[in-house]
Amino acid sequence: QVQLQESGPGLVKPSETLSLTCAVSDYSISSGYYWGWIRQPPGKGLEWVGSIYRSGSTYYNPSLKTRVTVSVDTSKNQFSLRLSSVTAADTAVYYCARDYGDYVFAFDIWGQGTMVTVSS
Amino acid sequence: QSVLTQPPSVSAAPGQKVTISCSGSSSNIGNKYVSWYQQLPGTAPKLLIYENNKRPSGIPDRFSGSKSGTSATLGITGLQTGDEADYYCGTWDTSLYSGVFGGGTKLTVL
Repeated sequence: QVQLQESGPGLVKPSETLSLTCAVSDYSISSGYYWGWIRQPPGKGLEWVGSIYRSGSTYYNPSLKTRVTVSVDTSKNQFSLRLSSVTAADTAVYYCARDYGDYVFAFDIWGQGTMVTVSS
Repeated sequence: QSVLTQPPSVSAAPGQKVTISCSGSSSNIGNKYVSWYQQLPGTAPKLLIYENNKRPSGIPDRFSGSKSGTSATLGITGLQTGDEADYYCGTWDTSLYSGVFGGGTKLTVL
């Protein structure tokens, strides 16, 4: 069955760049779907960060757009998130998920999530 | 403040039925599909409903979704203690050009 697994540093210093990778198993990213990132600050709700298609076409949350980059590496069957100039407000559990795309906005398979803390 | 409005909490007894509302506007729910997620404590969200009323494979028919105008509703029948979780609605907003989630509703099964 399709599985997603996030990886990356759990601690990032303020003003630096947060980098996470999501490895996809038992499904080729090249086959279709969009692939997205969603985050959840401690004790709070979900926030969509951005999504990418196999072709590299992206769409981002406008509130984060100037700082976010989502990329895909089909050869490694993974996609990545970079969030620059982080502050404490970016502290959250970050999830990667498979996105139905085409503005359907539904995520059917999720990674377990990875906690990222922004602190000096 | 979320673009989509959900009640902070709902409760009902085991075996009963509960509904969770999600209120939006013409730029989101009014013209786009709604999805619903269940998040058990300490776990990733799980897709319950997509395209307003469709269930992914493996989701029991105790869970249902509907939409009317600029509001959507998640219904859960035959409540079980295992249904205690946070529930979120989500959709695309054409004005914001962004995906949006509701603030979440905590379900307590008394």
